Amino acid sequence: NAGVTQTPKFQVLKTGQSMTLQCAQDMNHEYMSWYRQDPGMGLRLIHYSVGAGITDQGEVPNGYNVSRSTTEDFPLRLLSAAPSQTSVYFCASSPGLASYEQYFGPGTRLTVT
Amino acid sequence: AQSVTQLGSHVSVSEGALVLLRCNYSSSVPPYLFWYVQYPNQGLQLLLKYTTGATLVKGINGFEAEFKKSETSFHLTKPSAHMSDAAEYFCAVSAYTGANSKLTFGKGITLSVRP
Repeated sequence: NAGVTQTPKFQVLKTGQSMTLQCAQDMNHEYMSWYRQDPGMGLRLIHYSVGAGITDQGEVPNGYNVSRSTTEDFPLRLLSAAPSQTSVYFCASSPGLASYEQYFGPGTRLTVT
Repeated sequence: AQSVTQLGSHVSVSEGALVLLRCNYSSSVPPYLFWYVQYPNQGLQLLLKYTTGATLVKGINGFEAEFKKSETSFHLTKPSAHMSDAAEYFCAVSAYTGANSKLTFGKGITLSVRP
């Protein structure tokens, strides 16, 4: 099992550019989510999905788009990058809600100049 | 609504000393509580969790935490710190509220261990 994988590990974007952060899991988990981690802010939920075809907004969704066409993949799209989106992004998956452990990917470090 | 408070951003202990990282939570329904650890340049991994039952929960690497409902607390302890415990620690709370159940993290505490 590879667990949760994320690509790329590092990315530098210019303001206004768009890109997609990839996330995949091979554990057949229904629940997947995207977080951003900023110093002193902990992890904040961007978007999440409770199964293929179902997504919803988290705490900080503005400027990001998601879709879930398969159980395995949950890409995060930055529509028009801004310096405020400079952060470390983590994807996580879980076999269920609430009481279940979340399994995290290694993260993508994004810098927007 | 649910929230987590982790007081202080940095704790420093000597190797062999007691580790105590504090966590208080707020939840309108019975909570599930978690501690995650993040080593430098890595993702988060679960240390331990409380769901139901025994209020003293043991986790990996000698850590444990006690759920105290009356104090709305879930403090993390380890009797004797090791250099390898240096990392960032996150307390998190969840509760089952249907399809929109979410995990809410505290701001994290950085643990340093002095030789």
